[in-house]
Amino acid sequence: EVQLVESGGDLVQPGGSLRLSCAASGFTFRNYAMAWVRQAPGKGLEWVLGIGATGDNTYYADSVKGRFTISRDNSKDTLYLQMNSLRAEDTAVYYCAKGTYYSAWGQGTMVTVSS
Amino acid sequence: AIQMTQSPSSLSAAVGDRVTITCRASQDIRNDLAWFQQKPGKAPKPLIYAASNLQSGVPSRFSGSGSGTDFALTIGSLQPEDFATYFCLQNHNYPFTFGPGTKVDF
Repeated sequence: EVQLVESGGDLVQPGGSLRLSCAASGFTFRNYAMAWVRQAPGKGLEWVLGIGATGDNTYYADSVKGRFTISRDNSKDTLYLQMNSLRAEDTAVYYCAKGTYYSAWGQGTMVTVSS
Repeated sequence: AIQMTQSPSSLSAAVGDRVTITCRASQDIRNDLAWFQQKPGKAPKPLIYAASNLQSGVPSRFSGSGSGTDFALTIGSLQPEDFATYFCLQNHNYPFTFGPGTKVDF
């Protein structure tokens, strides 16, 4: 069974940093692109970042470019999201998603940016 | 970035109704479109990929159509568990972009 489990969400002050993780199991992680998608409270889905299967190619939404970094460790079957210079508008549930067609999602982890 | 629009933004329907939601891309995305269902407090559930292909385990009352810029998700006979919000996603060009969503309720 494919499973994606996010962790690392927390309450953080504006300007702070946070690292999210997404542990994958039930599929050959190294063969799939991955992505982070977020959802602010009461809002729709926002695509945030993507990464190719090998990690060589990364893609960013303009809203997070220069502040967020996506990476992966294929030896640990884990996807990461490093978030720096956090803003109130980054408050959201962050989901990781599998593949180009987003065929599996994690349960999400909540990030709250507030003083 | 490619902009995605959906219509309607919400609709009221009854069990057994046939429901169609449309999604439009700001430029040609071929058939690089996916649909998702989301219920409150839950992660999105994948329904359709490549515009018309059913994800594994999705009931056959769901179908997708379209190519280029205009797409549709149809629920053939609405069931109680289908009341939810539906989103489209273009995965043709990065940055990928979601539509704003369509809420289906009573």
